[in-house]
Amino acid sequence: ETGVTQTPRHLVMGMTNKKSLKCEQHLGHNAMYWYKQSAKKPLELMFVYNFKEQTENNSVPSRFSPECPNSSHLFLHLHTLQPEDSALYLCASSQETVSGANVLTFGAGSRLTVL
Amino acid sequence: GQNIDQPTEMTATEGAIVQINCTYQTSGFNGLFWYQQHAGEAPTFLSYNVLDGLEEKGRFSSFLSRSKGYSYLLLKELQMKDSASYLCAVVDSNYQLIWGAGTKLIIKP
Repeated sequence: ETGVTQTPRHLVMGMTNKKSLKCEQHLGHNAMYWYKQSAKKPLELMFVYNFKEQTENNSVPSRFSPECPNSSHLFLHLHTLQPEDSALYLCASSQETVSGANVLTFGAGSRLTVL
Repeated sequence: GQNIDQPTEMTATEGAIVQINCTYQTSGFNGLFWYQQHAGEAPTFLSYNVLDGLEEKGRFSSFLSRSKGYSYLLLKELQMKDSASYLCAVVDSNYQLIWGAGTKLIIKP
């Protein structure tokens, strides 16, 4: 248990479904991140929130919509996804995003399969 | 462009030593991380190097040469539980994390 909890751990959805991924951290961190992890590829940063404000959106398609209601919770809303969106979605948190050496604490991920 | 290279897969024997290399070409450098990720689990922090040299932490050591754009993770007295993927990531001049694709380490008895 890392202190970052992601639900659900596994999700199968059709291309017309709407679903959400949830992340919760109990570490008192101020920054939260969504990453996409595909097999044999580097982690892709999707979104960054610092003190509940979105500070980064790495050209992510609008079918992915993040929400950060407070510093402890982060959601990723999914709508009209494509099969190539199938991947492991990792949530992470850190003390803050400003300083260089931010150690990230990751959740175990949500394995998404789009049919 | 920015690039991190590390071997895709390595195999080693229980009790032995293995070195996982990471080379990088990035716009600036503000440190290098190693993370360990067991299958189906969260990546976990192993080490952070910002100055040249070797840092030892138990059975694991991490080395950095900024002039060569090179780092390695050294694992000694390998145990079966060390079977995992090892992720190298560099902090660039904009404090962005640039990730490698990871090295899958397989430990055989």
